[in-house]
Amino acid sequence: DAKTTQPTSMDCAEGRAANLPCNHSTISGNEYVYWYRQIHSQGPQYIIHGLKNNETNEMASLIITEDRKSSTLILPHATLRDTAVYYCIAGPGGATNKLIFGTGTLLAVQP
Amino acid sequence: SAVISQKPSRDICQRGTSLTIQCQVDSQVTMMFWYRQQPGQSLTLIATANQGSEATYESGFVIDKFPISRPNLTFSTLTVSNMSPEDSSIYLCGGDFNEKLFFGSGTQLSVL
Repeated sequence: DAKTTQPTSMDCAEGRAANLPCNHSTISGNEYVYWYRQIHSQGPQYIIHGLKNNETNEMASLIITEDRKSSTLILPHATLRDTAVYYCIAGPGGATNKLIFGTGTLLAVQP
Repeated sequence: SAVISQKPSRDICQRGTSLTIQCQVDSQVTMMFWYRQQPGQSLTLIATANQGSEATYESGFVIDKFPISRPNLTFSTLTVSNMSPEDSSIYLCGGDFNEKLFFGSGTQLSVL
């Protein structure tokens, strides 16, 4: 699996968009970009995933660069409940047992 | 989506004893997973459990220490055997549903 690099921590003001970057320069052609988050004292929660097209769902948007070497997760209107560790994972589609969680980005949403 | 219930949510155990953690899914899932999350660290996969076959363990984890059962498509257990303080951690079960991982809320284990 491709290794991903994320900032250790980020702050965001409540109500503003949170943009979380992820580098995955060694991603292979059949690997997807997955985003999960883990709120304190809970199990990780699936957010979104994509292969090469941008994706949007009710939680977030995923922007993948054309060369697929990096991506950005966008939470359009961050709330205090979005404070969590966000994990960016590059892994094969349909093989959830191959997803490797790194250390992620701690997003702190400030009031 | 799938909802995963895990119990106990926390326990304090004595050295040398064993603890069995239960994981119940509200939908049938082919693959279930057990992870360990040590304090301040990320998740580490212990094993993958499919119904009707022995679990597949990751490097560094063995069946004698972490026996797993998977009797049907909605249930699994993980036993932490002969515990030592080094086993103090959060243990999480997960399931694959529509190619997404869903997790229980975890079991916080403290071994004295």
